[in-house]
Amino acid sequence: QVQLQESGPGLVKPSGTLSLTCAVSGGSISTDDWWTWVRQPPGKGLEWIGEIHQSGSTNYKPSLQSRVTMSVDKSKNQFSLRLSSVTAADTAVYYCAKAQWLDAFHVWGQGTMVTVSS
Amino acid sequence: DIQMTQSPSTLSASVGDRVTITCRASQSIVSWLAWYQQKPGKAPKLLIYKASSLETGVPSRFSGSRSGTEFTLTISSLQPDDFATYYCQQYNSYSKTFGQGTKVEIK
Repeated sequence: QVQLQESGPGLVKPSGTLSLTCAVSGGSISTDDWWTWVRQPPGKGLEWIGEIHQSGSTNYKPSLQSRVTMSVDKSKNQFSLRLSSVTAADTAVYYCAKAQWLDAFHVWGQGTMVTVSS
Repeated sequence: DIQMTQSPSTLSASVGDRVTITCRASQSIVSWLAWYQQKPGKAPKLLIYKASSLETGVPSRFSGSRSGTEFTLTISSLQPDDFATYYCQQYNSYSKTFGQGTKVEIK
């Protein structure tokens, strides 16, 4: 059973870049799955950020597209999220998840809290 | 983006009640819809996928249905462990979207 674990700084300064990594264990990242990022601001709902395939293909939420970059590191069996020009509105719990194309998110990481503050 | 309108936003119910949550898509998503349960401080948990397929290990009191672009999650007999927030999510397009969530509270 694949397991996912997010990691990264818990505090990012405004206008800076948020960088998170999701480690994949119990399976290979080099499959036909789409590796996904979802976030949840405190007390609010879930927001899909985007997804990446091991081939490097990506799909991003249109309103975030200009600030989001996702990548895959097959040697480390992990994938990453970079979100630039962050503001307080980017403060959230960030989750990684996996799904096949046209499938739900069956597997989730536990989430990591990121606060944007000076 | 495909918009998902979920209702109600809050629902008060008692143990043993039949509970229904609705999600409407702004355009056709065929049956590419999932339902998740989330408890405070935890990651969402998949309950239903492809509108009506029950995820392995999820109790059979949970069920999902579709009528056109309207989707329903039903809990046939609410149990104490079911008090949580529920989200629908469409995955029909290149941009996935979630509903706003429904918090199921104890009456």
